[in-house]
Amino acid sequence: RKEVEQDPGPFNVPEGATVAFNCTYSNSASQSFFWYRQDCRKEPKLLMSVYSSGNEDGRFTAQLNRASQYISLLIRDSKLSDSATYLCVVNLGTGGFKTIFGAGTRLFVKA
Amino acid sequence: DGGITQSPKYLFRKEGQNVTLSCEQNLNHDAMYWYRQDPGQGLRLIYYSQIVNDFQKGDIAEGYSVSREKKESFPLTVTSAQKNPTAFYLCASSNLNQPQHFGDGTRLSIL
Repeated sequence: RKEVEQDPGPFNVPEGATVAFNCTYSNSASQSFFWYRQDCRKEPKLLMSVYSSGNEDGRFTAQLNRASQYISLLIRDSKLSDSATYLCVVNLGTGGFKTIFGAGTRLFVKA
Repeated sequence: DGGITQSPKYLFRKEGQNVTLSCEQNLNHDAMYWYRQDPGQGLRLIYYSQIVNDFQKGDIAEGYSVSREKKESFPLTVTSAQKNPTAFYLCASSNLNQPQHFGDGTRLSIL
């Protein structure tokens, strides 16, 4: 089993749609969680951190369920500019800096 | 502005040649990382360093070497032993349990 697993995608949605990405992680001692966005041929950029209480940033909502070892990202009112690959990222609770990146889910938003 | 600088943006390697990719950060981050990304694939960890003069192998360290003589700098050498070096190389830095910040990458190709 992979340490971080994401929906394989790609997701093809029309503008204005709501889209949800799911991610599971295997290490129950994982400490911190993030969603990154990566545009084609560019570096990954931090989209948002994920907190146990859930957090929202504009059209984006992130949720963490530690009991189920599950992370989600919800994008409401999709824009063409949301087209990118979304990476789920987990910092392991090993006392060090070990970070695991999911393989990413590609999103295409169509007009 | 604080950030991570990678150079060069594009690099070409001849057969049997070693090449060095530069990565400098002024974010005062303790840890630095090198990743490789192949087309359509996720990030794979090559090496990481949590502190000056110390570094650990990642998942694909063979054919690569690093040094961490200064907190700000973490150069990666792609040696002639790396038989398939063509890829997008990304450097990142972070503090403990904080998100990683990435440079804008170096694209390495074989001549």
